[in-house]
Amino acid sequence: GAVVSQHPSWVICKSGTSVKIECRSLDFQATTMFWYRQFPKQSLMLMATSNEGSKATYEQGVEKDKFLINHASLTLSTLTVTSAHPEDSSFYICSAPRTRGTDTQYFGPGTRLTVL
Amino acid sequence: AQSVTQPDIHITVSEGASLELRCNYSYGATPYLFWYVQSPGQGLQLLLKYFSGDTLVQGIKGFEAEFKRSQSSFNLRKPSVHWSDAAEYFCAVGAASGSARQLTFGSGTQLTVLP
Repeated sequence: GAVVSQHPSWVICKSGTSVKIECRSLDFQATTMFWYRQFPKQSLMLMATSNEGSKATYEQGVEKDKFLINHASLTLSTLTVTSAHPEDSSFYICSAPRTRGTDTQYFGPGTRLTVL
Repeated sequence: AQSVTQPDIHITVSEGASLELRCNYSYGATPYLFWYVQSPGQGLQLLLKYFSGDTLVQGIKGFEAEFKRSQSSFNLRKPSVHWSDAAEYFCAVGAASGSARQLTFGSGTQLTVLP
């Protein structure tokens, strides 16, 4: 079956530093990937849609200059949290839908970010 | 815009008992509906989905869900719950976004299974 990986699985950083999170589709190509944020005991909230070869589309209220998204290839999207602050601490999840077949999305295992 | 409501934040059932998790959606067109399960340390796993056709859909792990357009519902059921089913369950509705679908998730239902 389809597999989506994320790296790292968890990261702790100091306030003011930047953190890069990778999302890879391992056995299929994904022209579109989605990035979600999940706070403890809450649902997943869509942050942005990552499009291969073009700019990402951000949801209302998400700062595009703070959450930089790069979708440089058909199997890799990266999310960089710039100048991270404690309020950015969260669980970040990506998903990669197949572009053919039944259009089912596959989710990565998530990245736990803790900003001190 | 689409939305999903899961009225039950937390449900507790005994092992072997039946289970029903409620999901109500709001969407202007024909909905694409999904149920996902999230276990600690693991990614969301798709249990089942409804795109069209038979309104009763079968999924993995013995789960099923029934789409009821008149009630705007897509409730998840399982006749006999196993201890391993304890997890967080999310209902989601999909909207077209170019070649792929954005998902809007409900707030989730935490399932506890008693021995």
